[in-house]
Amino acid sequence: ETGVTQTPRHLVMGMTNKKSLKCEQHLGHNAMYWYKQSAKKPLELMFVYSLEERVENNSVPSRFSPECPNSSHLFLHLHTLQPEDSALYLCASSHENLFRVAGELFFGEGSRLTVL
Amino acid sequence: AQRVTQPEKLLSVFKGAPVELKCNYSYSGSPELFWYVQYSRQRLQLLLRHISRESIKGFTADLNKGETSFHLKKPFAQEEDSAMYYCALRNSETSYDKVIFGPGTSLSVIP
Repeated sequence: ETGVTQTPRHLVMGMTNKKSLKCEQHLGHNAMYWYKQSAKKPLELMFVYSLEERVENNSVPSRFSPECPNSSHLFLHLHTLQPEDSALYLCASSHENLFRVAGELFFGEGSRLTVL
Repeated sequence: AQRVTQPEKLLSVFKGAPVELKCNYSYSGSPELFWYVQYSRQRLQLLLRHISRESIKGFTADLNKGETSFHLKKPFAQEEDSAMYYCALRNSETSYDKVIFGPGTSLSVIP
C-alpha cells in the first residue's frame, strides 16, 4: 500500500470503552500528525510527532493518548470518551527538513468516530 | 495569535463563471500559505502554495500582505471544481512546524 492509511474507517464506541485508531504511512516521512475534524469547527491540530518525538500536545484532554512507535506508525488511544468527541480523526504525514520545516501534508482518509 | 478565516461556508457559482474563495489570516511573522482541497469521497490534499506561484487546475492565489489575504481564484469554474476548500497557514514561530487550517468553504459549481 502507498500513501497514508488509517484504520478503522468507522468506529462506534461507548463511553467506557477503550479503543485505538491506527495510522500508517509508506512515504518515508519523518513527521506525523493527528487532526480532529468536527462538523462545526475547523480542522484542529491535536498532536505532532517529529522524528518519533512528540512536539505538540495542543491542549488535548488526557482521554486521548497518542503513540508513535516508529516513523511509519501513529496510534491514537481512546478511553472514557464523551459524545462530543465524535468526529472525523485525520492522520497526516510530511517530510521535515533539518530546520523542522515541513513539506506538503499528506492525509489519510480519516477514521469516523461515534461515541454513544 | 495565528488564525485563518474563510468568511464563506458555502459558495455556489455557475459553470464557466469566475470564482473567488476568500481567505484572510493573522500572523505576526512572514506567512506561508496554502490551499488544500477535498473532493467528494477523496482525502484532503494540497492544491497549491503561495511560494510556488503556480497555477494548479486553473486556480491561482496571490498573497496580499497589506490586506492579509490569500484568496483563491479561477476565471472559469468547472463542475469538477466542486469540493471543500481549506486555506492553511504554516506557523514557523515555534521550534517545530505546524499548519493551521481555516474552517473551509464548500464550493458548488452548478451545470
